[in-house]
Amino acid sequence: GAGVSQSPSNKVTEKGKDVELRCDPISGHTALYWYRQSLGQGLEFLIYFQGNSAPDKSGLPSDRFSAERTGGSVSTLTIQRTQQEDSAVYLCASSLRTSGGLKVFGAGTRLSVL
Amino acid sequence: EDQVTQSPEALRLQEGESSSLNCSYTVSGLRGLFWYRQDPGKGPEFLFTLYSAGEEKEKERLKATLTKKESFLHITAPKPEDSATYLCAVLGSNDYKLSFGAGTTVTVRA
Repeated sequence: GAGVSQSPSNKVTEKGKDVELRCDPISGHTALYWYRQSLGQGLEFLIYFQGNSAPDKSGLPSDRFSAERTGGSVSTLTIQRTQQEDSAVYLCASSLRTSGGLKVFGAGTRLSVL
Repeated sequence: EDQVTQSPEALRLQEGESSSLNCSYTVSGLRGLFWYRQDPGKGPEFLFTLYSAGEEKEKERLKATLTKKESFLHITAPKPEDSATYLCAVLGSNDYKLSFGAGTTVTVRA
């Protein structure tokens, strides 16, 4: 597509429920990144994909967080048993290549855990 | 660990009142310093990349400069449409991972 597409744009869920966030990167971009943006804080790196593999998962906050990418394209970030501290904007970005490549961001998914 | 600190947190300007935003950083092996603009409800939008001390880049009313320890984003004669949050990020030895500052929120009043 023309840009990075994320869905849903907003998600309200109850504590303890599982949520799935989707990212559709720019066509042809091999690298895909997930970041989290909490109020008043900088973007926090979560995970990145090169193709379908995730060489660095070090930013995932806990084992409740997981992500996958299929067909070198769409990625889903799953949060199990959501907690209130998971409330944030989850941003996805993609780039042509991993090394130094210009990262284009999507509009994000705003997650609110009640 | 790469660290980025931006100041001030918020900046209120009158239209036409020029000012500067600061981004201080520590990084092992700088591969690039990035400036992004973020509007409410949207993702960061790329503005500039700077690679080495002394480098400068301009785009309309914005000019970014880089030293070995910090970067400045100068806004000359700002207009209300320049109101946004400006984010600074560095790319270090982990050449895929951008480390971001918390941003400076700029409000320009007509």
